[in-house]
Amino acid sequence: KQEVTQIPAALSVPEGENLVLNCSFTDSAIYNLQWFRQDPGKGLTSLLLIQSSQREQTSGRLNASLDKSSGRSTLYIAASQPGDSATYLCAVRRTGGAGSYQLTFGKGTKLSVIP
Amino acid sequence: ETGVTQSPTHLIKTRGQQVTLRCSSQSGHNTVSWYQQALGQGPQFIFQYYREEENGRGNFPPRFSGLQFPNYSSELNVNALELDDSALYLCASSGGTGRPNTGELFFGEGSRLTVL
Repeated sequence: KQEVTQIPAALSVPEGENLVLNCSFTDSAIYNLQWFRQDPGKGLTSLLLIQSSQREQTSGRLNASLDKSSGRSTLYIAASQPGDSATYLCAVRRTGGAGSYQLTFGKGTKLSVIP
Repeated sequence: ETGVTQSPTHLIKTRGQQVTLRCSSQSGHNTVSWYQQALGQGPQFIFQYYREEENGRGNFPPRFSGLQFPNYSSELNVNALELDDSALYLCASSGGTGRPNTGELFFGEGSRLTVL
C-alpha cells in the first residue's frame, strides 16, 4: 500500500527566503507525482506535474524534483511571498492501465510567509 | 475553458439523512474522481468514473455511491449519513478526448458537508 509523507507539517519563514518542502513515498512504482496548493477551506490548485520519467519541472518561482528510486520529491519555492502562504500537498499516482487516476496524498505542509 | 465546478458549496445534514453532491468536469475531460478530505488530513480517494462506469474504488463502504452522465458530469451520493462523514468532498477531472493525456488531475472548490 502506497504511503506518502510530508515533512515538515508546518513551516514559517520570513518573506524573501527560499524554501524546500519535502515529500516521500514508499512504493516507487508510480506513474507521476503532482504538487498542489490548497488555501483554507478551498479546493486544490495544481502547481506542477512530474512524470515518472522526468527529474524535475519548473513553473515560475517553483521547481519540483523527483527521485523515484529513493521515493522522494522536493518542491523548491524561490523568493517566498506572503501570497505563498497555504497548505502544499504532494500526491502520487500509481502505475496502471487506462483510466487509473487514483492519487495517494500526503497530509500536506502548512506554509506561512511572514511579511 | 471551463474548470471543474461543484455544487452545493456548503450543506448541513443530520445523521441518517442522504446527500447528493454534483460535479461538472473540466471541458474535454472524460474521467471524474471523488475524494474526501477530513479536517487536517490529505484527500482520500473514494471512487472514479470513466465512460459512465465505476472503474476504481477506495476504502469506502457501499453507502457511498456515484453516477457519471453522458456529458461526463457526476454525482456522489451518500446514504445513512454518519458524523464522521463531515468533510470537504472534492471532485477531480482528468483524461480527455482529442488532446495529449498527461494524467494531470484538476480539482473543483469542493462541497463542505457538515453532519449533525
